[in-house]
Amino acid sequence: GQSLEQPSEVTAVEGAIVQINCTYQTSGFYGLSWYQQHDGGAPTFLSYNALDGLEETGRFSSFLSRSDSYGYLLLQELQMKDSASYFCAVRGLTGGGNKLTFGTGTQLKVEL
Amino acid sequence: IAGITQAPTSQILAAGRRMTLRCTQDMRHNAMYWYRQDLGLGLRLIHYSNTAGTTGKGEVPDGYSVSRANTDDFPLTLASAVPSQTSVYFCASSDRDNNEQFFGPGTRLTVL
Repeated sequence: GQSLEQPSEVTAVEGAIVQINCTYQTSGFYGLSWYQQHDGGAPTFLSYNALDGLEETGRFSSFLSRSDSYGYLLLQELQMKDSASYFCAVRGLTGGGNKLTFGTGTQLKVEL
Repeated sequence: IAGITQAPTSQILAAGRRMTLRCTQDMRHNAMYWYRQDLGLGLRLIHYSNTAGTTGKGEVPDGYSVSRANTDDFPLTLASAVPSQTSVYFCASSDRDNNEQFFGPGTRLTVL
């Protein structure tokens, strides 16, 4: 099976940098994804890491280390609108397609 | 239609009743998925379909069934609803080899 662990809550101030960690146990996977979900809304895709290292998309960056079974999402220049829940997810090797197993999510609160 | 639509938006259902949640996408994606989201448990995969005519079981399939008669539609049926099926249900779709899943707005279901 697969399991992913994330901190339940993180608080940071506007303009700061915050890192949301994700540790996982899996028998194998294609890559690690990150999704954002605002209260009452649908999850939206942020990033995907197939290989070890850093992927940068604007203010957001995502990192993967397969040897450490660890990844993180880095958010820079935090804005109030970044207050949301963030989920890591792995794309498993079995079943074909793009089946995802999600972590339990991290609620990010951005304060003034 | 643009993207994925789900119906109904919300529903209150008596235990033991049959209910079908509807999901339609217009992006011609091969793969579709049903997730449930419960507080503290993140998103859990119920059933998926890699292409029209095929379906598979996810992490929590018991009590649910799906069909995929065509590319666009992927209904989820609760044959005899139970209170533990109270949840928010999200439908999603993706190209088979694309890492990004697109989510619908969700259906909030309460079983009493």
